[in-house]
Amino acid sequence: EDQVTQSPEALRLQEGESSSLNCSYTVSGLRGLFWYRQDPGKGPEFLFTLYSAGEEKEKERLKATLTKKESFLHITAPKPEDSATYLCAVQADYKLSFGAGTTVTVRA
Amino acid sequence: SAVISQKPSRDICQRGTSLTIQCQVDSQVTMMFWYRQQPGQSLTLIATANQGSEATYESGFVIDKFPISRPNLTFSTLTVSNLSPEDSSIYLCSAGKDPQETQYFGPGTRLLVL
Repeated sequence: EDQVTQSPEALRLQEGESSSLNCSYTVSGLRGLFWYRQDPGKGPEFLFTLYSAGEEKEKERLKATLTKKESFLHITAPKPEDSATYLCAVQADYKLSFGAGTTVTVRA
Repeated sequence: SAVISQKPSRDICQRGTSLTIQCQVDSQVTMMFWYRQQPGQSLTLIATANQGSEATYESGFVIDKFPISRPNLTFSTLTVSNLSPEDSSIYLCSAGKDPQETQYFGPGTRLLVL
């Protein structure tokens, strides 16, 4: 069975204080690893897809990396608008298995 | 990408009744899915909505409780039947153009059962 574990559960940052979120996974035949952002009361918003170890993708202050066992989402110099829950999901066959998420709060 | 809308956005229902949630995608997609997100938790896949055939349900979810329709490549409905307070949750629809492409999510339907 696919397993996705995200850590930490919650992260409180000062504006400008960079940090990283971890997503470790166990899956048979990884097709892709996905990062989503979810704001309170909304559906998940797609951020990145990573397909193979060593791959990196960036979007504004966010950078996602992938190894054979885990993925990191780095937040560089975060702003209050980066406050959200970040969800990691792995895809084997056509279905997604989600982790529990990391809730990030960025204080001004 | 795909833009997905859901109706209703929220509802309050009485125990024993049913609620049907609609999901509309702005373009034709191969894959449509239904998820449940219980308060403070992550997403759990309920079923894959197959166009022209019966939905494929995940372990712990059954057709009698969660009947799904998918009449075409842009639309699906999820019915939550015989509601109980334990069904209070957010129900999310997602879609992807093919099995290996990104899934995009709708805004969710917030259900409260009294």
